[in-house]
Amino acid sequence: RKEVEQDPGPFNVPEGATVAFNCTYSNSASQSFFWYRQDCRKEPKLLMSVYSSGNEDGRFTAQLNRASQYISLLIRDSKLSDSATYLCVVGPNRDDKIIFGKGTRLHILP
Amino acid sequence: NAGVTQTPKFQVLKTGQSMTLQCAQDMNHNSMYWYRQDPGMGLRLIYYSASEGTTDKGEVPNGYNVSRLNKREFSLRLESAAPSQTSVYFCASITGTGYYEQYFGPGTRLTVT
Repeated sequence: RKEVEQDPGPFNVPEGATVAFNCTYSNSASQSFFWYRQDCRKEPKLLMSVYSSGNEDGRFTAQLNRASQYISLLIRDSKLSDSATYLCVVGPNRDDKIIFGKGTRLHILP
Repeated sequence: NAGVTQTPKFQVLKTGQSMTLQCAQDMNHNSMYWYRQDPGMGLRLIYYSASEGTTDKGEVPNGYNVSRLNKREFSLRLESAAPSQTSVYFCASITGTGYYEQYFGPGTRLTVT
């Protein structure tokens, strides 16, 4: 099993729809979980951290399921500006590594 | 507060040439990282430095060397560039104090011909 796995997409979603991504991780000792957003030809930027109790930031909701070892990102009322690649990030583990998933591409269609 | 800066932004090298990519952060972060990103491969860790004076190999260290010059600066050197090293290189830093948001530089686009 790969350390962090994501569906690469692309997800083509009409504007205003709700879309959800999952990300699975293999190391049960992982302590921190994040979603990053990366626009084309730009650096990744933190979208939100993922807490055990789940957390919401406007239209974005992140959830963590430790038993099944996955995190999720839900985007409600999607906007054209949400088009980007979303990177799942897990870490650090015992040797201090932070692992990036390969990303899920999202295209919001007008 | 400039965050993480990288130089150069673009570079074209011939096979066998050497160069150093520079990275600096002004956020007093302890840990710094070098990644490469290739289409379909995601971000892959080359080297990281958990603190000043220490460096460790990541997933793809072959062909690279690093120097943690001081707390602010972490450089990546290609001694003899190869076409397989054509990529976008990102430097990142984190606080290392329990909250692990990574701050990334704008990237260096390197082409080796």
